[in-house]
Amino acid sequence: AIQMTQSPSSLSAVVGDRVTITCRASQGIRRDLSWYQLKPGKPPKLLIYGASILQTGVSSRFSGSGSGTDFTLTVDSLQPEDFATYYCGQDWSFPLTFGGGTKVEIK
Amino acid sequence: QVQLVESGGAVVQPGRSLRLSCATSGFTFSDYGMHWVRQAPGKGLEWVAIIWYDGSNKNYADSVKGRFTISRDDSKDTLYLQMNSLRVEDTAVYYCARKHFDWVSADYWGQGTLVTVSS
Repeated sequence: AIQMTQSPSSLSAVVGDRVTITCRASQGIRRDLSWYQLKPGKPPKLLIYGASILQTGVSSRFSGSGSGTDFTLTVDSLQPEDFATYYCGQDWSFPLTFGGGTKVEIK
Repeated sequence: QVQLVESGGAVVQPGRSLRLSCATSGFTFSDYGMHWVRQAPGKGLEWVAIIWYDGSNKNYADSVKGRFTISRDDSKDTLYLQMNSLRVEDTAVYYCARKHFDWVSADYWGQGTLVTVSS
């Protein structure tokens, strides 16, 4: 199975910060990568698919980039509702696998 | 709007079986593949299984292969997960999610149902 490594595992930020989360695949996955946001008590939310395609209805503060093995999720001007845990997931081959998550906390 | 509602979660003993259901609405169920994804307490997301829109193809995580079966009933717009030989490590919130029409990503998710495997 393809291993997905996310970093950092957690970070502290303030409202207005620009935040960057990275995800590395153990082998090339082209651009078959998604980013999800999880908040306690709520279902996961798809933010980005195809490495850089913004899901309908998701704020343009979120952007994704990368291809092959290295990917990035960027949140511009962090808002209070963005404090959550973020996961990358590879969609290239089965079994699908997720990164370990990045918890974005309020500083 | 797209809605996914899971049910069937319970407390069960190791070795027993359980069937989860996911009732859907707000989209043409028979046009979409569907996923099951789980999250153990305090842990990250783990993909469990996928079924194609027409049921022609199914894939499973290695951890559940041979024990879990994903299926669908298009007449009821409902997805199922039959879980046999349950283990303590299967304890998790189980989410059903719709596969994106063109990509493998999970674009809409249910609220989840809790399965606890304990003696």
